[in-house]
Amino acid sequence: AQTVTQSQPEMSVQEAETVTLSCTYDTSENNYYLFWYKQPPSRQMILVIRQEAYKQQNATENRFSVNFQKAAKSFSLKISDSQLGDTAMYFCAPLYNNNDMRFGAGTRLTVKP
Amino acid sequence: DAGITQSPRHKVTETGTPVTLRCHQTENHRYMYWYRQDPGHGLRLIHYSYGVKDTDKGEVSDGYSVSRSKTEDFLLTLESATSSQTSVYFCAISERPGGLSPEQYFGPGTRLTVT
Repeated sequence: AQTVTQSQPEMSVQEAETVTLSCTYDTSENNYYLFWYKQPPSRQMILVIRQEAYKQQNATENRFSVNFQKAAKSFSLKISDSQLGDTAMYFCAPLYNNNDMRFGAGTRLTVKP
Repeated sequence: DAGITQSPRHKVTETGTPVTLRCHQTENHRYMYWYRQDPGHGLRLIHYSYGVKDTDKGEVSDGYSVSRSKTEDFLLTLESATSSQTSVYFCAISERPGGLSPEQYFGPGTRLTVT
């Protein structure tokens, strides 16, 4: 089974601080994509960032960046300068064989003022 | 935001009744997906479509069927709803899963309760 593990069910961070969310996955695939999605209380799934497995350079998107370690099958998300609007569930999601997207159980992040 | 709508947004139905959920997109994307979201499981793929009349099963397809007669519409049917199908259902679309645009964009979700 291509499992995805998010080992932190809940996390909290002070506004303006930095927080890192962890994700590990298990696959025998060599080429795939990795995504982080955010789900605020509105329930809408919002794409945060993506990473191609064949790229060694870590993706960044404004305050969001990833630490991708392919050999370790690790894909963590770092949020810098946390804002109240970052409060949400965050899901790690590898995409295999173009259409097989697997999701972790999520990390509930609370940003405290 | 990607132009994806789902209908209905909420539905309560009784065990044994048929239910159809609709996903409509205005982006002309070829690929469409149905997921369910349950506590502790994240999202799990039910079925997906790679073109009109072309569909395939996902991780949790038992008890569900799908149809796609037009590019913009993807229907999910529960032939005889069971309480285990109480969930939040999400539709997603993708332009080129194997190319430069592999991202999936999600609709707002449908909360289905089977009593």
